[in-house]
Order: sequence, then C-alpha cells, then structure tokens
Amino acid sequence: EIVLTQSPGTLSLSPGERATLSCRASQSVSSSSLAWYQQKPGQAPRLLYYGASSRATGIPDRFSGSGSGTDFTLTISRLEPEDFAVYYCQQYGSSPGTFGQGTKLEIK
Amino acid sequence: QVQLVESGGGLVKPGGSLRLSCAASGFTFSDYYMSWIRQAPGKGLEWVSYIGTSGSPIYYADSVKGRFTISRDNAKNSLFLQMNSLRAEDTAIYFCARGHWQLECWGQGTLVTVSS
Repeated sequence: EIVLTQSPGTLSLSPGERATLSCRASQSVSSSSLAWYQQKPGQAPRLLYYGASSRATGIPDRFSGSGSGTDFTLTISRLEPEDFAVYYCQQYGSSPGTFGQGTKLEIK
Repeated sequence: QVQLVESGGGLVKPGGSLRLSCAASGFTFSDYYMSWIRQAPGKGLEWVSYIGTSGSPIYYADSVKGRFTISRDNAKNSLFLQMNSLRAEDTAIYFCARGHWQLECWGQGTLVTVSS
C-alpha cells in the first residue's frame, strides 16, 4: 500500500498570501494518478485536482497542482477567505487507493 | 445537476448490521464506477469499497473485507453497502462518491455509530 504523507499538518496564513501544500508518496505514483480535495467543516470533500495537474470543473485558477513520481504540490496563489479548510491528497494509481492524513489551512 | 444522497445510517450495537443506500441523480448512473469512503469522527478519509459499472470489479479495504458487501441497482440509480458484524472502529460518516479513481462528486454522508 502506498502511504501518502502531507506536510505541514497545519498551515497558518493570512488572506492574500500564497499557500504551498506538499504530498509525498512512499513509492512512485503511477501515471501521476494523484488528486487533491478540499473539505470544509460539516461538508463532503470536493475534488480540486486530478491527474496531478488537471483542475476539476469549476475550481478557480488560483488553485494549481503539480508534481510527479513521489512528490506533489498543491498551490493556492492568493488565499481567499473561503479557502481555509482541510486539504487531502489521494493516489489512485495503485490498489488500494489511499489518502493522505490532511493539511489544515487556517487563518493566521 | 449531479446529486448523491446517502441514507440508512444510525446507531447500532457491536455485531449488528446496517444497509446504507445512495440515490444518484443528474447523470447516467450505469456509466460510472461508484465508491464508498468513510471518515471517522475528527479523522481522515478511508476508501472502503468500489464497484464497477455492471457490478464488477469490486474492491474492499482489508478493514471491511468479509463483513461489508457493495452492490448497485442501475435500474434504480442506487448504490448500496451492506455492513455486517459491525465494530466500534466502523463508526464514521460514510460517503458515496462517483468514480473509483478521482472521486468527482460526493454525497453529504450518513453517520454510522457502533456502540453498546
């Protein structure tokens, strides 16, 4: 099973700042089969990115995904108040699919 | 619009059973793999099971293998999860989601609590 480790666990930033979230895999993720999700309290997760660098429908372009192999990054270029949430990465290239433990993005 | 609505959660004693349902609308259900994912209170996400478009292939997490059964009824646009021999560690919100690679759409979830 591929283990995904997200860092940092908590990221404290202010609106307008740039956020960089990391997801590292214990072994190479095939075909960049990595996705990112955003989850707000009391809500279901929402798909942000898939295939490591393909933005999901309706996701603002301030969100960008990158990476390959074992290292992946989600960048939010300029934080809006609604971006403060928990973010999860997920790999689906190797069965079983697995999720990272999450990064909480909080308002500083 | 795409909508997934889970039902069937509740409080059950250890060793008991529950059947979760997920009603899908707004898309051609039979064209998509479907998944169940769970989230224990205050914890992260765990993929529980997925099912192919016509009922196969099927995947189960090791933690539920032999106890949970996923199924679907394409005529009724519905996904199911039969959960037997429930344990305290199965306590979680259970989400259904469209897909088995990236999970494009999610329901709001149904809470399953296993406690005596």
